[in-house]
Amino acid sequence: QVQLQESGPGLVTPSETLSLTCAVSNGSINDSYWTWIRQPPGKGLEWIGFIYYSGTTIYNPSLKSRVTISVDKSKNHFSLRLDSVTAADTAVFYCARYYCGVANCFFDSWGQGTLVSVSS
Amino acid sequence: EIVLTQSPDTLSLSPGEKATLSCRASQVVRFTYLAWYQQKPGQAPRLLIYGVSRRATGIPDRFSGSGSGTDFTLTISRLEPEDFAVYYCQHFDRSFLSFGGGTKVEIK
Repeated sequence: QVQLQESGPGLVTPSETLSLTCAVSNGSINDSYWTWIRQPPGKGLEWIGFIYYSGTTIYNPSLKSRVTISVDKSKNHFSLRLDSVTAADTAVFYCARYYCGVANCFFDSWGQGTLVSVSS
Repeated sequence: EIVLTQSPDTLSLSPGEKATLSCRASQVVRFTYLAWYQQKPGQAPRLLIYGVSRRATGIPDRFSGSGSGTDFTLTISRLEPEDFAVYYCQHFDRSFLSFGGGTKVEIK
């Protein structure tokens, strides 16, 4: 079973950039869609975007202007960058693997999540 | 973009009762990409059902999924104490991935 672990600062200043990394272990990053999802405190899940191992990215249109997801295959990890953050970006951020088999796609592996607060 | 609407927001039931959760899509979805997840407080979501009705590995058979077109249902036949949690449906249509707002199943 692939294991994922998020890392990065837990506090970001408003208008700055949020940066997180997700380390992939017990598996290769050379397949599947590697995804970032966030969950504001007490609220539901919001898809941020994902990157295919080839480097192709698909972003949520509501965040597209501020988001960059990248992959480093040599380190077996992928990263999130969210620019110009505000308090509304405070959330638990999850990295996850969106696995597509022969006929189905689903999230089969998740990181434990990391809380990022935006505050001065 | 497909919007998923879950109902009810909260379901208050007792252990042993049957839970029926609804997920309605704003347009016809590709069934192979419809999944359900369970989330408990402080934990990441866990895959329950994929492809509308296929149980994920290790998921008890009291969980079942059904539906087609725009209307989908997650059924828990007999609630166990560990089933009280929030449930999300999710779909992907090649360019946009959406989650429903969630249904909380709480102990009555």
